[in-house]
Amino acid sequence: QKEVEQDPGPLSVPEGAIVSLNCTYSNSAFQYFMWYRQYSRKGPELLMYTYSSGNKEDGRFTAQVDKSSKYISLFIRDSQPSDSATYLCAMIYGDMRFGAGTRLTVKP
Amino acid sequence: DAGITQSPRHKVTETGTPVTLRCHQTENHRYMYWYRQDPGHGLRLIHYSYGVKDTDKGEVSDGYSVSRSKTEDFLLTLESATSSQTSVYFCAISREGTRNTEAFFGQGTRLTVV
Repeated sequence: QKEVEQDPGPLSVPEGAIVSLNCTYSNSAFQYFMWYRQYSRKGPELLMYTYSSGNKEDGRFTAQVDKSSKYISLFIRDSQPSDSATYLCAMIYGDMRFGAGTRLTVKP
Repeated sequence: DAGITQSPRHKVTETGTPVTLRCHQTENHRYMYWYRQDPGHGLRLIHYSYGVKDTDKGEVSDGYSVSRSKTEDFLLTLESATSSQTSVYFCAISREGTRNTEAFFGQGTRLTVV
């Protein structure tokens, strides 16, 4: 069993939809939780970063962490075609561990 | 791109040949990392460095070696390339260890071993 599980998708939604991306993890020692966005043939770039359980909002993006359930989510409101990318969850305890990534396509 | 340059960007090599990938940063960050990215596996840490000549193994270090003789350069060497090392390789940097801060990634090197 992988430490970090993420549904690879692909996920296709119409423009304006609310997108929900999720990861589960098995190691309760993970302390820091991140979401990276990766465009095709590019390196990952940090999107959201959080430490505690609860919600963190940044514009159209909301990161949610539920440590009791070992579950993190990223919500994208009013999705745009420019949001089409692969989204990777990552978490830290010592090393940074990544999920496999979910490929998202937002259709105009 | 956070001042990170990877070279080469693409390489095709034959099984059994040595290959060296280079990562150069202009940020003067202490920590540098090499990851590989494969479908279904996400990013996996190969080796990392926490200072000049200070390196350590990551999750998938077998078949790889690294060197860091200057703060700005971190080299990844495949001593004898195998087809299983066909992958996209990313260099990353962080100001502190990943324990406290996010990592910034380069553009990647696409390596094919035939």
